Amino acid sequence: KQEVTQIPAALSVPEGENLVLNCSFTDSAIYNLQWFRQDPGKGLTSLLLIQSSQREQTSGRLNASLDKSSGRSTLYIAASQPGDSATYLCAVRGRLTFGEGTQLTVNP
Amino acid sequence: EPEVTQTPSHQVTQMGQEVILRCVPISNHLYFYWYRQILGQKVEFLVSFYNNEISEKSEIFDDQFSVERPDGSNFTLKIRSTKLEDSAMYFCASEWSSYNSPLHFGNGTRLTVT
Repeated sequence: KQEVTQIPAALSVPEGENLVLNCSFTDSAIYNLQWFRQDPGKGLTSLLLIQSSQREQTSGRLNASLDKSSGRSTLYIAASQPGDSATYLCAVRGRLTFGEGTQLTVNP
Repeated sequence: EPEVTQTPSHQVTQMGQEVILRCVPISNHLYFYWYRQILGQKVEFLVSFYNNEISEKSEIFDDQFSVERPDGSNFTLKIRSTKLEDSAMYFCASEWSSYNSPLHFGNGTRLTVT
């Protein structure tokens, strides 16, 4: 059974910092990995999708990497802003399995 | 940008009552899903739906649950006899190509069973 773990559970940084969120999964037989953002009481917003054959994807200040063999993905956020404050979730396919999320707070 | 829309945003019901949660997926999408998130816990898969039938369901999706696509636009989740432990946020999601495209989620329906 696939297990997805995210570290750290919570992170608080000053505005402008670059930061890395970590995601690990136990079964490397995945189709893809998707990073989401969740604001309090809201739905999930897709940030990046990395196919299993890819190593990384970039969108604006976000860069996600995937190392399928080691069961790891990282989400890099450059020059963080207070508007980046949210919970970040990673999820892996086959059946989409989510981690617990990292709650990010960016302080002005 | 097209969105997945869910109604209602919040539903309060008494234990034992039936509820129907409604979703309008993105119009050209072919694959539809329901997930739930109990407060403070992970988002969990419930069911996937393609070509007018269930393609996969989790252990959570027991006989109390059913899904339907009654017309070309709506996708519904019915809980026949709600229990206290059904209280959660329910998310609908859709995608146009299974596994090859990003999953798009709605804003969810918060179900409170009293």
